[in-house]
Amino acid sequence: GAGVSQSPSNKVTEKGKDVELRCDPISGHTALYWYRQRLGQGLEFLIYFQGNSAPDKSGLPSDRFSAERTGESVSTLTIQRTQQEDSAVYLCASSSLGSTDTQYFGPGTRLTVL
Amino acid sequence: AQRVTQPEKLLSVFKGAPVELKCNYSYSGSPELFWYVQYSRQRLQLLLRHISRESIKGFTADLNKGETSFHLKKPFAQEEDSAMYYCALSGHSFQKLVFGTGTRLLVSP
Repeated sequence: GAGVSQSPSNKVTEKGKDVELRCDPISGHTALYWYRQRLGQGLEFLIYFQGNSAPDKSGLPSDRFSAERTGESVSTLTIQRTQQEDSAVYLCASSSLGSTDTQYFGPGTRLTVL
Repeated sequence: AQRVTQPEKLLSVFKGAPVELKCNYSYSGSPELFWYVQYSRQRLQLLLRHISRESIKGFTADLNKGETSFHLKKPFAQEEDSAMYYCALSGHSFQKLVFGTGTRLLVSP
């Protein structure tokens, strides 16, 4: 079946605008993760959803960042009042018990804030 | 605090040479360690994990708890091994991954 998909693949926005990034996990995967990768840096954890449990939001860098997940499907990462330091590649991953919790990554969304 | 250190940004070797990509970690408990790889224009994918104790594409990695290291090794590098390699850890299953900054491996003919 299809892997993790993300949209848009690229997003250019102006400072101060809000953006929404979408992630479609692999069907049946109960866990969904968002990471951020700034240029020249490793991946930073942002938020994690597991089934119906409360999400782990410990990695969100500020209250301008939020994420939602509809059941065990699509997730949306929203960044309000974007700043230039938000420019990065945003990666989504999903996993499940059936995949021995291996995280499968999407292609990422490259966000550029002008 | 959880931390993963990959000291080399770039490792350049000739085809057939041995390769060792270094990874050191900091974690108070017993972590799970992983190596992820990203080939050109492809998405990030799992290469291997320490609990599997397997060799993938000729690569192996041994967890050394005394030295808190999980170095990735291959005895004879191939050109197709050229990619970005990330070491990562998690506290236990279904938890966030903490990544190193990555090492770019270039294998020249």
